Amino acid sequence: KAGVTQTPRYLIKTRGQQVTLSCSPISGHRSVSWYQQTPGQGLQFLFEYFSETQRNKGNFPGRFSGRQFSNSRSEMNVSTLELGDSALYLCASSLDRANNEQFFGPGTRLTVL
Amino acid sequence: QKEVEQNSGPLSVPEGAIASLNCTYSDRGSQSFFWYRQYSGKSPELIMSIYSNGDKEDGRFTAQLNKASQYVSLLIRDSQPSDSATYLCAVNMNTGNQFYFGTGTSLTVIP
Repeated sequence: KAGVTQTPRYLIKTRGQQVTLSCSPISGHRSVSWYQQTPGQGLQFLFEYFSETQRNKGNFPGRFSGRQFSNSRSEMNVSTLELGDSALYLCASSLDRANNEQFFGPGTRLTVL
Repeated sequence: QKEVEQNSGPLSVPEGAIASLNCTYSDRGSQSFFWYRQYSGKSPELIMSIYSNGDKEDGRFTAQLNKASQYVSLLIRDSQPSDSATYLCAVNMNTGNQFYFGTGTSLTVIP
């Protein structure tokens, strides 16, 4: 089975711009979660989608949003980028919502200048 | 208090030794626990999951869970230089998939 894929792998943006990241889960996986990883804060949960519905949301401002499509693919969007948004954004998929193992994609490295 | 705490290390062990990694969590109602390995510049890779009190073994890896003490650990037997990485403890604190991660323990296995 193919693993979780994320595109693009690298992005450079400037402050104030917006960005959209994409994630394709493992085939058959219906839950997609997004995380932000920075050296100072570690891995922090952004949100989780299941069956096109956001079921959990972490403590991030409203500039961070996401969605999931009927084929379980997910996108996350960050508007009005700030320097502090520079991070590795990771997507993880799992079979369903209940206590299942999550498998991570390679991540998108976002640099905000 | 952070939800999941780990000693940041670094932890150094000689090749062939046992590496012991520890993690504590704050939510007594947590039901599922995971260990991930992350090499520098790579994404986290799942090593073990554990749901019940006691030990779970998979090859050279043993996860140990004590819910009463809110403690989970990972033992790596016969450590190899290729085990050198950051090990992340993750806890699912609700019925969904909202994982809380520790900040990771950096392990170096010295040949």
